[in-house]
Amino acid sequence: EVQLVQSGAEVKKPGESLKISCKGSGYIFSNYWIGWVRQMPGKGPEWMGIIYPGDSDTRYSPSFQGQVTISADKSTSIAYLQWTSLKASDTAIYYCARRGGSYQIDLWGQGTLVTVSA
Amino acid sequence: QSALTQPASVSGSPGQSITISCTGTSSDIGGYNFVSWYQQHPGKAPKLMIYEVSYRPSGVSNRLSGSKSGNTASLTISGLQAEDEADYYCSSYTSSSTVVIFGGGTKLTVL
Repeated sequence: EVQLVQSGAEVKKPGESLKISCKGSGYIFSNYWIGWVRQMPGKGPEWMGIIYPGDSDTRYSPSFQGQVTISADKSTSIAYLQWTSLKASDTAIYYCARRGGSYQIDLWGQGTLVTVSA
Repeated sequence: QSALTQPASVSGSPGQSITISCTGTSSDIGGYNFVSWYQQHPGKAPKLMIYEVSYRPSGVSNRLSGSKSGNTASLTISGLQAEDEADYYCSSYTSSSTVVIFGGGTKLTVL
């Protein structure tokens, strides 16, 4: 089965670091762009950035540049999203997503809820 | 880069048709045929329903159709069913560095 499986929900304090993961299976992980999408409560999705696991080419949306780090390990078929210092405003659901050739997201992870609260 | 503009809500009775609009600019919807639509039920991940303006992925009902005119894309759902009640989001490629932008979402209520 073609799927993306994300790590579980996290509860963190402001200033803490965090790394969440997304494991692809059922397809050649290296051959597809993998992105991260933020969805804040009651809001639409926001594209954060994207990585091509085959060569680790990474692009960030301007709003997220310098705020997060996206990485991938093609040997384990896992993509990562990392923060060094969380803020309360980072509270959201984060989805990993496989991007198709027409800029559509044809495969979504189940989402990881990140809650940042003192 | 601002989000694409969608109506906050639409509603219809079972069997009726509804259309959801998604308005952008010439830098996104108007300039490229890379418009997608997603359905999201509460507590679930979004699901791709339409890509490249009007193409349906395998398994998606043919009651859904997409179109585009100028800077506005549209999603039409015919023969409304209770299971269609969900949030719908449009997205488009954009020539800005964001690459992909989304709409704010439309809540479809089946009366």
